[in-house]
Amino acid sequence: DQQVKQNSPSLSVQEGRISILNCDYTNSMFDYFLWYKKYPAEGPTFLISISSIKDKNEDGRFTVFLNKSAKHLSLHIVPSQPGDSAVYFCAASATGNEKLTFGTGTRLTIIP
Amino acid sequence: EAGVVQSPRYKIIEKKQPVAFWCNPISGHNTLYWYRQNLGQGPELLIRYENEEAVDDSQLPKDRFSAERLKGVDSTLKIQPAELGDSAVYLCASSLDRADTQYFGPGTRLTVL
Repeated sequence: DQQVKQNSPSLSVQEGRISILNCDYTNSMFDYFLWYKKYPAEGPTFLISISSIKDKNEDGRFTVFLNKSAKHLSLHIVPSQPGDSAVYFCAASATGNEKLTFGTGTRLTIIP
Repeated sequence: EAGVVQSPRYKIIEKKQPVAFWCNPISGHNTLYWYRQNLGQGPELLIRYENEEAVDDSQLPKDRFSAERLKGVDSTLKIQPAELGDSAVYLCASSLDRADTQYFGPGTRLTVL
């Protein structure tokens, strides 16, 4: 049972444009969400997070949006840069059980 | 600040052989995690330690996998004997405490032939 789903295995975006990565979840107990970025042969690197009490969190070029009613979150990267090319994982956890449940990842390719 | 250190980075063994992975977490981080990442999948938690205590090992295949975290710092994950299906990347992560952001090491890529 995949509780966190990233339905797009890959995404290509022109440099300078907006990249939008999507994530859906099914477990209504999840109240904390994170995005990790992973380069080849490296471990995942924390990017940005959002608590369920918010619907938006912004950090520089990265913004995460949370739609609790739809159980959907998205990561926006503006403007996209070549160094953003990586695999992006969405993860979720529930208060009292801080185990992270990851999605399967989306490979983002920024085209120069 | 040094990140999470793991060794070895790569390991190739034949099935039925034993293998061990080592992790040194970020200094001061009390919580340590071992994850397994299969090809094309996200990481899945195997075991979580709070200091020396394993507080969540429900996903650890206990017939062949074992882990320890002596003195609440370094940790070792062992597989004995290894099976073909154990081929994966084994990731270690640490956090200040259970509610804090998890920081990952580079992982150990295990190939079982």
